[in-house]
Amino acid sequence: AQSVTQLGSHVSVSEGALVLLRCNYSSSVPPYLFWYVQYPNQGLQLLLKYTTGATLVKGINGFEAEFKKSETSFHLTKPSAHMSDAAEYFCAVVALGNQFYFGTGTSLTVIP
Amino acid sequence: EPEVTQTPSHQVTQMGQEVILRCVPISNHLYFYWYRQILGQKVEFLVSFYNNEISEKSEIFDDQFSVERPDGSNFTLKIRSTKLEDSAMYFCASRQGDGTNEKLFFGSGTQLSVL
Repeated sequence: AQSVTQLGSHVSVSEGALVLLRCNYSSSVPPYLFWYVQYPNQGLQLLLKYTTGATLVKGINGFEAEFKKSETSFHLTKPSAHMSDAAEYFCAVVALGNQFYFGTGTSLTVIP
Repeated sequence: EPEVTQTPSHQVTQMGQEVILRCVPISNHLYFYWYRQILGQKVEFLVSFYNNEISEKSEIFDDQFSVERPDGSNFTLKIRSTKLEDSAMYFCASRQGDGTNEKLFFGSGTQLSVL
């Protein structure tokens, strides 16, 4: 079975500070991993994904994530937070079959 | 970039009424999905659809729900007799399914309010 755990339902950072959103997964087979962002009153938008190859993946808006198999993690980072980064962030995994499993989400607040 | 479009953006209905949520997936995509997100909760998988039939469904997707691809472009979710707890944001998604790109494209959602 596959599952995703996002530690911290709410994260607050100061503008310009490092953003770190945590995601751990469980999967019996090598997974594909995704981060999605949801701005208020909007749908989900893909930030980045890991399928195969390089374990450090870069996404839109300066975000990146590193797949660490030994830690079963796929944490999302951004070196310097911007006010426009305030949103809900979802980690997702897909392994067997077509079903995407989403985490419970992390709400990011950026303090000016 | 191609988009998945959903209509309406907001739907208000009375409990017990039928609703149909509409989606137009990206034209060359083969796999279609419905997800929902109850306010303040996580995104939940409802159903996946491939080759004109349901390929997977969750426990949430009971007999009150059905999906259909009535023509070559639309993908609909029907709730036969809505309940208060069906109030949620419903997202449609699609993907190409050619094995080289697993990016899931989401629509902007339909906010369903059951009164």
